[in-house]
Amino acid sequence: DIQMTQSPSSLSASVGDRVTITCRASQDIRQYLNWYQQKSGKAPKLLIYDTSNLKTGVPSRFSGSGSGTEFIFTISSLQPEDIGTYYCQQYDDLPYTFGQGTKLEIK
Amino acid sequence: QLQLQESGPGLVKPSETLSLSCTVSGAPISSSSYYWGWIRQPPGKGLEWIGTIYYSGSTNYNPSFKSRVTISVDPSKNQFSLKLISVTAADTAMYYCARVGDLVVVPPAIRFDPWGQGTLVTVSS
Repeated sequence: DIQMTQSPSSLSASVGDRVTITCRASQDIRQYLNWYQQKSGKAPKLLIYDTSNLKTGVPSRFSGSGSGTEFIFTISSLQPEDIGTYYCQQYDDLPYTFGQGTKLEIK
Repeated sequence: QLQLQESGPGLVKPSETLSLSCTVSGAPISSSSYYWGWIRQPPGKGLEWIGTIYYSGSTNYNPSFKSRVTISVDPSKNQFSLKLISVTAADTAMYYCARVGDLVVVPPAIRFDPWGQGTLVTVSS
């Protein structure tokens, strides 16, 4: 299985801060990577697909980049409603696997 | 607007079978553009893909479930279902169904969107 490792596992930042989360794959997954946001008690929601494509309706402060084995998720200016847990997910190979999650809190 | 809704027992005894259904509304499940899938999340933990199904009945499963899992589809009811046999406490989780796609692009994309609200299944005697 392809292992997805996110860092950090948790982070605390202030409103307006630039936030970055890294997702590393155990092997080359090309650009087959998605990012999800999960708020407390809710189902995950797709934010970014295929590394860098913003889903329609998702605020432009969210972005993604990378390829191969290292991927970056960025929130350019953190907003209070962005608190939650963020997951990366690869689909280069079966089984589809997720990172362990990054819990984002507001300072 | 596409919506998915999970249903099924919230409590299952150890060694018995977990059975859940996902009802899709707002779009036909017999679309050639998408798979339909199940993902679970143990309490306080991360996400685990269980398997996906195409409207024709073709399936892909996570090998970690070995031969315990079966996903089926009923296009006439616009539903798909999950069966997990011989459950243990480790199968206690929130179970989500989701649309999986996009199969129209080249190569096909596998993204889970949207998700149902989830249903908590507890395995306990």
